[in-house]
Amino acid sequence: QVQLQESGPGLVKPSETLSLTCTVSGYSISSGYYWAWIRQPPGKGLEWIGGISHSGNTFYNPSLKSRVTISADTSKDQFSLKLSSVTAADTAVYYCARGVLIWGQGTLVTVSS
Amino acid sequence: EIVLTQSPGTLSLSPGERATLSCRASQSVSSNYLAWYQQRPGQAPRLLIYGASSRATGIPDRLSGSGSGTDFTLTISRLEPEDFAVYYCQQYGSPPWTFGQGTTVEIK
Repeated sequence: QVQLQESGPGLVKPSETLSLTCTVSGYSISSGYYWAWIRQPPGKGLEWIGGISHSGNTFYNPSLKSRVTISADTSKDQFSLKLSSVTAADTAVYYCARGVLIWGQGTLVTVSS
Repeated sequence: EIVLTQSPGTLSLSPGERATLSCRASQSVSSNYLAWYQQRPGQAPRLLIYGASSRATGIPDRLSGSGSGTDFTLTISRLEPEDFAVYYCQQYGSPPWTFGQGTTVEIK
């Protein structure tokens, strides 16, 4: 059974870099699929942040592209999100996903001093 | 970037009624790579439909997806209490993948 689990700090200070990791179990991320990050601000809708293919190609939301880096560590079956220069507007539940089918449970990241 | 517009914003219906949710794309969705999700309060989105019309594992057949190109529909034939939730469409045919703004199905 494939499972995804997000991990990382729940509180980040303004202007700093948000870093999250998604650990995949039950599947090798280098075997296939597209691995994505999505976020949802409190009380709002879903926003696709970007993703990385099993071969390492990345795609980013143009609105976030200048601040986002997504990378993968295939030896650990993990992929990561870095979002720089965060503000309160980046406060959200962050989800990782395999394609459209399998999502993690999400982790709340609050940006506050 | 493909913009997805969902309508209506809110649907007020009674259990047993039929629900029809619309998702319109600003340009054609490649290979009809259109998904529908259900989200209940405090939970992660749950995939219902992928490829515009294929039900995900465990999804009852009273939920169905249809459409192609730029116009897509999610239909719930008879609303059950667990169906009252927020529904999102997503296109994953062309990066950046994008979501609609959501439709809330509430109890009338």
